[in-house]
Amino acid sequence: QAVLTQPSSLSASPGASASLTCTLRSGINVGTYRIYWYQQKPGSPPQYLLRYKSDSDKQQGSGVPSRFSGSKDASANAGILLISGLQSEDEADYYCMIWHSSALVFGGGTKLTVL
Amino acid sequence: QVTLKESGPVLVKPTETLTLTCTVSGFSLSNARMGVSWIRQPPGKALEWLAHIFSNDEKSYSTSLKSRLTISKDTSKSQVVLTMTNMDPVDTATYYCARIGAGGEADYWGQGTLVTVSS
Repeated sequence: QAVLTQPSSLSASPGASASLTCTLRSGINVGTYRIYWYQQKPGSPPQYLLRYKSDSDKQQGSGVPSRFSGSKDASANAGILLISGLQSEDEADYYCMIWHSSALVFGGGTKLTVL
Repeated sequence: QVTLKESGPVLVKPTETLTLTCTVSGFSLSNARMGVSWIRQPPGKALEWLAHIFSNDEKSYSTSLKSRLTISKDTSKSQVVLTMTNMDPVDTATYYCARIGAGGEADYWGQGTLVTVSS
């Protein structure tokens, strides 16, 4: 079982909100981890969006709009990236990441389609 | 202004050793709590972390690739070097280097370099 699991795709309409999940493997408690989120558009490197551990331990990436925010669902053992007021330019691949046992781990990515 | 730039061969043959260099500017490789990671992405696939080097020269490697990887840095040249031995066509990917900031985030990335493994 992968350490981080993301749905492969998600579709949402312009102006709506999209909730992208990153589920941690059973036995790895989401509460103890900082979850990092990245956006990647075709032909470009990933761009850091934000990190979220708790409301007192979070960081927005430089220049990242506030309509991108992070949270957690402890009951689902998952990190969440919420994108509100979806715009066509938000169409991209989104990756979550954690530091686990001194190693970086990425999720498999979610392709967000805005239509 | 922080920048990272990857350089190295675009084509390598199976069984050869790949050597990639990441040249950084805008920060020092000796900055405490900062480091550089190498991450790759096969065409159409997800990101895969390879290795990391911390400011104190401590190193960390992907468990699955550890036997093939070596990461090092030359602070005076502002360069981080990754070598990967015994290259295989499945290693065809875009290879990125990224700065890891004090909070653990990969906050700056290079543009990446596509390496193709083929005879």
